[in-house]
Amino acid sequence: DAGVIQSPRHEVTEMGQEVTLRCKPISGHDYLFWYRQTMMRGLELLIYFNNNVPIDDSGMPEDRFSAKMPNASFSTLKIQPSEPRDSAVYFCASTRELGEQYFGPGTRLTVT
Amino acid sequence: SQQGEEDPQALSIQEGENATMNCSYKTSINNLQWYRQNSGRGLVHLILIRSNEREKHSGRLRVTLDTSKKSSSLLITASRAADTASYFCATGRNTGKLIFGQGTTLQVKP
Repeated sequence: DAGVIQSPRHEVTEMGQEVTLRCKPISGHDYLFWYRQTMMRGLELLIYFNNNVPIDDSGMPEDRFSAKMPNASFSTLKIQPSEPRDSAVYFCASTRELGEQYFGPGTRLTVT
Repeated sequence: SQQGEEDPQALSIQEGENATMNCSYKTSINNLQWYRQNSGRGLVHLILIRSNEREKHSGRLRVTLDTSKKSSSLLITASRAADTASYFCATGRNTGKLIFGQGTTLQVKP
């Protein structure tokens, strides 16, 4: 199994631009999570899906952030417009039922 | 708000020594998990302990859980330089959602 796949691995963009992060969970996993990690705030849960349905988006910072899961093998996290304070490492993770979570390698986002 | 709080924030030991990290949490849980993160990488699951369990072992790892004190500890025995990483506890409830602590940074000197 290839594990959780995220793309791109690094993204550098200018303030105001739209950013789209992508995630392919492990096949057969029914939960998908998006996290953000910064030195100041640690690892924060942004949103998670169960069977492609968003369950809890209370961690999404504001309306500039949106996430979708059109099918069981793909999810996107979009930031529009991006701001420098969005700079962080964004992780996607998946799990089956309520077990251990498998994390992707992360996308390091820098907004200048 | 953070559910899990790790202690200490940083730990430096010599290879061969044991490393102990602690985690405290605030509300009732279904399970508690420990993860490791090497610099610049994603988190890797180490061990899961359920709320009705008190101790669990996996190789050189030993995890204890005291639900009355709302605390857990992770013991790494006979540490190696390759154990250098950040370690996070995460608490789970029946929702599937995990809340992560701020982590303990462990440095093992060769």
